Amino acid sequence: KAGVTQTPRYLIKTRGQQVTLSCSPISGHRSVSWYQQTPGQGLQFLFEYFSETQRNKGNFPGRFSGRQFSNSRSEMNVSTLELGDSALYLCASRNATGTLNEKLFFGSGTQLSVL
Amino acid sequence: GEDVEQSLFLSVREGDSSVINCTYTDSSSTYLYWYKQEPGAGLQLLTYIFSNMDMKQDQRLTVLLNKKDKHLSLRIADTQTGDSAIYFCAESYNAGNMLTFGGGTRLMVKP
Repeated sequence: KAGVTQTPRYLIKTRGQQVTLSCSPISGHRSVSWYQQTPGQGLQFLFEYFSETQRNKGNFPGRFSGRQFSNSRSEMNVSTLELGDSALYLCASRNATGTLNEKLFFGSGTQLSVL
Repeated sequence: GEDVEQSLFLSVREGDSSVINCTYTDSSSTYLYWYKQEPGAGLQLLTYIFSNMDMKQDQRLTVLLNKKDKHLSLRIADTQTGDSAIYFCAESYNAGNMLTFGGGTRLMVKP
């Protein structure tokens, strides 16, 4: 079974631009979460999508948005990029069936550099 | 809000045991996790423990949970150079949902 796939692997943008990152979850997984990882702030939760609906949202400005498609693939968008948005963006998927031993599986991430 | 803290760095010799510690503040944490991150890679789930358990063992890994002190530890027996990585502890209220991560502990294993 293929793991969580994120594209692109690396991205370079300039301030003010917008960017879209893509995530394909493990087959059968219906929940997709996004996390931002920076040296200063560590790993921070962005949002979670389930059945095309945002279920939870972290403490990020409205420039950060996402969506989920009917095939569970997800995209996140960052508009009006700032230098501080440079980070590794990690996507994670889980089955979300509500079982006690549910696990979150992460992709390798998209490394975004804002110049 | 929730806070999860870890020491920044740990260095051990190959073959020794490693113990990575973590403290958390949210008493409603139900699930506690250990993830491993190698350079340039995402997070790999190593093991997890429910808050109603004190200990969990999985091959070379032993997780100890002191719920009273809100202290979690990960012991790696017979540490190998391939264990060199950053280890994150994380907690959540619901399984797999909205994890709060510690800052990570960089483990260096010397041959």
